[in-house]
Amino acid sequence: NAGVTQTPKFQVLKTGQSMTLQCAQDMNHNSMYWYRQDPGMGLRLIYYSASEGTTDKGEVPNGYNVSRLNKREFSLRLESAAPSQTSVYFCASSGDRRREAFFGQGTRLTVV
Amino acid sequence: KNEVEQSPQNLTAQEGEFITINCSYSVGISALHWLQQHPGGGIVSLFMLSSGKKKHGRLIATINIQEKHSSLHITASHPRDSAVYICAVNGNQFYFGTGTSLTVIP
Repeated sequence: NAGVTQTPKFQVLKTGQSMTLQCAQDMNHNSMYWYRQDPGMGLRLIYYSASEGTTDKGEVPNGYNVSRLNKREFSLRLESAAPSQTSVYFCASSGDRRREAFFGQGTRLTVV
Repeated sequence: KNEVEQSPQNLTAQEGEFITINCSYSVGISALHWLQQHPGGGIVSLFMLSSGKKKHGRLIATINIQEKHSSLHITASHPRDSAVYICAVNGNQFYFGTGTSLTVIP
C-alpha cells in the first residue's frame, strides 16, 4: 500500500539547472497537489490538479510548471532553478477537496 | 493573510503532561485536519473533523464550527509524540497553519 510516492527525496541543484519532481498515487484520487514548506510559513500551494488533464495555479506558482500525465502521476518542473526555490516540496492527493489529503514523504531541494 | 492560525508555535512538555494545541480559522470550511510531521519525515493525517470530537488512543480532537476553532489534545504525553502538529482546513482549497513544534522531555 504505497499511497503517495515522491522522488527524489533529496536533490542539490546549481542555479539555472532544471529538474522534475515526480509524484504518483495509487489511491485512484482525482485531486493532486504540490506544496512547498518553508520555515515559519507553513505549506503553500504551488499548483494543483482537480482531475486528469486539468491544472491550476496555487499561491506561489512562479518558476514552476506541472504536468498531470495521467490520473496517477503529477510532476513538478523547475525550468531554471533559483536559490529562492530551496525548500521542502510535498506532493499530496485527495479524493476531492472535501476529503482527507495524503502526503508524500517530501523532497528536500537545495539550490546553490 | 493567514487563513489558519495555530498556537503555541513551540511547546515543551514533561513526559506525562496533558497537552493542548489550538487552531483558529477564518474561512468557511467543509472539514478540518490535524496532521503530524516528524523531523525529516513526511506528513501523516491524524484526524479529519467536520463537527464535534474524535479520539484515537491518547489523541483527542475537537472542533467548534460556530467559533471557527479546533483543539488537539494529547493525554499522558510521551517523547515519541515529539513532532510538528499542523492544522489544515478544506475551504476552496486546503489552507495550512504554520505548525506547532512539540518536544516531550522524558
